[in-house]
Amino acid sequence: AAGVIQSPRHLIKEKRETATLKCYPIPRHDTVYWYQQGPGQDPQFLISFYEKMQSDKGSIPDRFSAQQFSDYHSELNMSSLELGDSALYFCASSLMNSLAEGDEQFFGPGTRLTVL
Amino acid sequence: GNSVTQMEGPVTLSEEAFLTINCTYTATGYPSLFWYVQYPGEGLQLLLKATKADDKGSNKGFEATYRKETTSFHLEKGSVQVSDSAVYFCALSDLRKGAQKLVFGQGTRLTINP
Repeated sequence: AAGVIQSPRHLIKEKRETATLKCYPIPRHDTVYWYQQGPGQDPQFLISFYEKMQSDKGSIPDRFSAQQFSDYHSELNMSSLELGDSALYFCASSLMNSLAEGDEQFFGPGTRLTVL
Repeated sequence: GNSVTQMEGPVTLSEEAFLTINCTYTATGYPSLFWYVQYPGEGLQLLLKATKADDKGSNKGFEATYRKETTSFHLEKGSVQVSDSAVYFCALSDLRKGAQKLVFGQGTRLTINP
C-alpha cells in the first residue's frame, strides 16, 4: 500500500539559509499535518491543511510557512534557519470523516534537518 | 488545554517480562487515544487506538483500554521481545476546526534485553 512520502530524507543547511520540505500524502487523503520532533522530544504539531486550506496552526514560528497544493502535496518552507530548528520533521496524512480509517493519521518517515 | 502524561523512562526489561507503560490524559470532550511506536531511525507507526470509553485497542500482543473514569490509556504486553525495543508515544486527537492534530506524551524508551 502507498504510504506518505517525504523528501528529502536528510538535509543539512547553514544558519540563516532557507529550506523546503515536501510531503506527498497517501492517495485520496485530503488532510496533511506537519510535526516537529526535536532530539529526545515528543512530536509537536506545527500546522495542518484540509482541502488545500489551512485548518489549524500550532507552535509554528513566523519564519516558517506552508501550503497544500492542488495535487494535495504539501511544502514546509523554513527561512532564516537557526540552530534550534535542527529536528526531525514529520508529515502525516488522513482522510477526513472516513468511517473506515476513523481519525487515524499516517506518518511519513520524516526529514531530518540539521542546521550548522 | 489537552495534554498527555506518560510514565517516565527509560524502561529496561528482560525478554518475556510483563510490560506496562502508564499514560494519563487531560482533555475536553471525547478524544480518540493512540499508542505510536518509533523504532530507531524511523518514523512513527500506529500501534493501536481506541475511539471511545471502554474500547480496547490491541495489536502485536499489545493492549490498551480507554478508561474515562481514570483518564488513562495504559499500554500492556504480557511477554515482551527484544524486537519491541523502541520509543512508545501515547497520544490523543485534539479535534479543532475540523482537523485532528495529535497531542503526544513525552515518549517512553523501552529496551528489552535477551
